[in-house]
Amino acid sequence: DAGVIQSPRHEVTEMGQEVTLRCKPISGHNSLFWYRQTMMRGLELLIYFNNNVPIDDSGMPEDRFSAKMPNASFSTLKIQPSEPRDSAVYFCASTPGTYAVTDTQYFGPGTRLTVL
Amino acid sequence: RKEVEQDPGPFNVPEGATVAFNCTYSNSASQSFFWYRQDCRKEPKLLMSVYSSGNEDGRFTAQLNRASQYISLLIRDSKLSDSATYLCVVISSASKIIFGSGTRLSIRP
Repeated sequence: DAGVIQSPRHEVTEMGQEVTLRCKPISGHNSLFWYRQTMMRGLELLIYFNNNVPIDDSGMPEDRFSAKMPNASFSTLKIQPSEPRDSAVYFCASTPGTYAVTDTQYFGPGTRLTVL
Repeated sequence: RKEVEQDPGPFNVPEGATVAFNCTYSNSASQSFFWYRQDCRKEPKLLMSVYSSGNEDGRFTAQLNRASQYISLLIRDSKLSDSATYLCVVISSASKIIFGSGTRLSIRP
């Protein structure tokens, strides 16, 4: 079975450029989460969707970050403009249930973003 | 004070040893608790949920102490393959998901 798919796996960009990260959740899962992981701050929840609707975006650091989920099988996280402090590993996770936060989270392999 | 705190380690123990580490949380109304395992440069994966009565899965035992606001993970007869970072997860009463920063465990032969 295919797990959560993320692309690209690695991204190196220059400060000021737009970055788009992509995620395909496990088929049939109802909720999708975006996380950021750094050495300094650990794993932080940025935003999560339930049935394609954003439920909690309180973790989105600032207006430069935006996330969309146009359908049940695809989500994007966009950073515009990117800054060096955005360098991190970005994980996407999906869960099967409707009360998502207490479900098992199935993580994708992550996108390692480096902003120069 | 962080909402969820873990000793970062590393815990360096010999194969076959028993090792335990804790995770403290500040919100007494927190409702659900989990342990995830993360291998180096990989994604986190669920290890086990933590139930109020405590639970065991093979060599792993998880416990919850609500009075002192911590959860624990005990690993018996540790294997080389147990080397990883262990992340605790706390779900608050407001359905907020908080990951601890992780405890690094290294098992030596």
